[in-house]
Amino acid sequence: AQTVTQSQPEMSVQEAETVTLSCTYDTSESDYYLFWYKQPPSRQMILVIRQEAYKQQNATENRFSVNFQKAAKSFSLKISDSQLGDAAMYFCAYRSRMDSSYKLIFGSGTRLLVRP
Amino acid sequence: DAGVTQSPTHLIKTRGQHVTLRCSPISGHKSVSWYQQVLGQGPQFIFQYYEKEERGRGNFPDRFSARQFPNYSSELNVNALLLGDSALYLCASSPGVPPPPSYEQYFGPGTRLTVT
Repeated sequence: AQTVTQSQPEMSVQEAETVTLSCTYDTSESDYYLFWYKQPPSRQMILVIRQEAYKQQNATENRFSVNFQKAAKSFSLKISDSQLGDAAMYFCAYRSRMDSSYKLIFGSGTRLLVRP
Repeated sequence: DAGVTQSPTHLIKTRGQHVTLRCSPISGHKSVSWYQQVLGQGPQFIFQYYEKEERGRGNFPDRFSARQFPNYSSELNVNALLLGDSALYLCASSPGVPPPPSYEQYFGPGTRLTVT
């Protein structure tokens, strides 16, 4: 079974600085997807960025980028120029291409605090 | 366009009671998934429905059941409530189950269930 681990329960960053959130996963599959979701206090999960395992190039979405290391099974999220609105819970998630349910397997989350 | 909607927003029930949670997917989306998020943890997959058929089920007891209606809305039912069922229940919709690129899931704001 696949697992996702987020070892940082909480991280803090100064506004305008850069922060990196860590995620590792375990799988025997070679083709899958990885996601970072943001969950603000409003509770609604928002997709931040996604990565296809077959793509070597790291995904980037504006201030958000990932460092995908397939051999190491590592998928970290870098947030540049942090803003107060980035404060939220961040969840790393895995989805298999083989599972017909396309279910997401989530890590336990990292709470990001942004200091003004 | 309206996003995924869920009702009710909050719910308080007593142990042993039954509860029904409702979800309306984004217009045009045919797939609905349900997740349980216990406080301090990442969401856990409960069910996935596509075209009114169950396509996946997580590791939850038979007290949990769901169904999808012809308009693609969905209900999650939980019988014989336990204190441990207290959680945020998230619904997510996606265009469908076929292979990517229709692989993004859009989450609703959730229903907060408290069992006393």
